[in-house]
Amino acid sequence: AQSVTQPDIHITVSEGASLELRCNYSYGATPYLFWYVQSPGQGLQLLLKYFSGDTLVQGIKGFEAEFKRSQSSFNLRKPSVHWSDAAEYFCAVGTYQAGTALIFGKGTTLSVSS
Amino acid sequence: ETGVTQTPRHLVMGMTNKKSLKCEQHLGHNAMYWYKQSAKKPLELMFVYSLEERVENNSVPSRFSPECPNSSHLFLHLHTLQPEDSALYLCASSQGGQGASLYGYTFGSGTRLTVV
Repeated sequence: AQSVTQPDIHITVSEGASLELRCNYSYGATPYLFWYVQSPGQGLQLLLKYFSGDTLVQGIKGFEAEFKRSQSSFNLRKPSVHWSDAAEYFCAVGTYQAGTALIFGKGTTLSVSS
Repeated sequence: ETGVTQTPRHLVMGMTNKKSLKCEQHLGHNAMYWYKQSAKKPLELMFVYSLEERVENNSVPSRFSPECPNSSHLFLHLHTLQPEDSALYLCASSQGGQGASLYGYTFGSGTRLTVV
């Protein structure tokens, strides 16, 4: 069965510092991988996705993620964090199978200190 | 505006009430989903509708009853809920059929439900 693990429940970084949020997945075939962001009281917004091709994908708001098959990882990065990036971040995995839904990790809460 | 609209945004209901949550999308998607988001728990998939047919029900209690009258609308009917059902209920939509996951989902802003 598919699963997604986000090892870090809460991370605090200083404004202007770099960020890396970890995501590990378990799936037998090549997965579709996603990162979503959720601001308080809001739904989830898609940051970026990977399903084939270049293993480094660019997303919105200056985020990028790298797919590493050997490590079953899809870590999210940003070179310089802004205070507005404080939110909860979810990694998700999907498949090609019809009628299946995305499986989400438990999320990582990002706090940004000044 | 995300393209997926959920109403109401907030709902307080007693355990003996009956209420419904509504989700509407005008993105041309033909798959819709209900997720439950509780504090300190991962997003829980409740129901999947693809091409207006229910294709997945993750052992959700019968006090939750979904309805998908067409590809643009999704309802979640609630009755005799418990306090532990208090949560944020999120609706999402995507392209349906094989490869649905490929496109990712568009989420609504959710309904914050409190059961008293």
